[in-house]
Amino acid sequence: QITLKESGPTLVKPTQTLTLTCTFSGFSLSTSGVGVGWIRQPPGKALEWLALIYWDDDKRYSPSLKSRLTITKDTSKNQVVLTMTNMDPVDTATYYCAHRPHILTGYPFDYWGQGTLVTVSS
Amino acid sequence: QSVLTQPPSVSGAPGQRVTISCTGSSSNIGAGYDVHWYQQLPGTAPKLLIYGNSNRPSGVPDRFSGSKSGTSASLAITGLQAEDEADYYCQSYDSSLVVFGGGTKLTVL
Repeated sequence: QITLKESGPTLVKPTQTLTLTCTFSGFSLSTSGVGVGWIRQPPGKALEWLALIYWDDDKRYSPSLKSRLTITKDTSKNQVVLTMTNMDPVDTATYYCAHRPHILTGYPFDYWGQGTLVTVSS
Repeated sequence: QSVLTQPPSVSGAPGQRVTISCTGSSSNIGAGYDVHWYQQLPGTAPKLLIYGNSNRPSGVPDRFSGSKSGTSASLAITGLQAEDEADYYCQSYDSSLVVFGGGTKLTVL
C-alpha cells in the first residue's frame, strides 16, 4: 500500500526559502523507473507541476520555476525534499507530492499525498 | 495560462452524459504523449481517474472513459451521478515535462 505525506511550515515570510518534505511508504525510490513529483494548487486555482525526481537521481523542473527549485531524495529515509527560494505571496498554495510508477509517459501520478497548505505572508 | 486547455465548467443532469475536452498542441498531445485524467472532489487531493489516454485504474467505474485524437483528448462520463460533482484535470507532457490543464468544474444539476 503506497502512501505519501507532505510536511513543512504552514506559514513563511516573503523572500524566505520554503523546505517541504515528502515522506512515503509502500515503494522504494531505488526501484528502476520510479519517481516522486511535487505539484501545487493555489486556492481556487488549477494544479501546477513543479518538479520530479527519479530513481536514478534524474531531476526535472518546471521551466517557469526552475531557478527557484531544488529537489533531492534520501532513499534510506524514504523522503523527497523540495526547496523553493524567494517565496512570494503568489506562492501561497497547497503543495502535493505524488508517486509516479515509471518514467515513461504512459504512467501517471497514481498516488498522491493529502497536501499541505503553505501561506506566504509577512 | 495552462499549456492544456479545458473548458472552465460543464454541467449535466443526473443520468446524462457529459464530455470534457483537453486541447493541446503539436508539442504535447499531438506529439504522441499520453494523457491522464484526475478527479478532485472538494477539499481533497486529486485522484487518478484515467491513465494512458483510455485506461481505468482498478475501482474506477466504467461510466468514466477517455479518448485521444490528434492534439486533443476527452473525458466522458455517462450515467451522471451527484457524487461526480468535482473538478477534473487532464495531464500530459510537453518536451518530456509534465503539464496540466486548467481544470473543469463539473456541476450535476
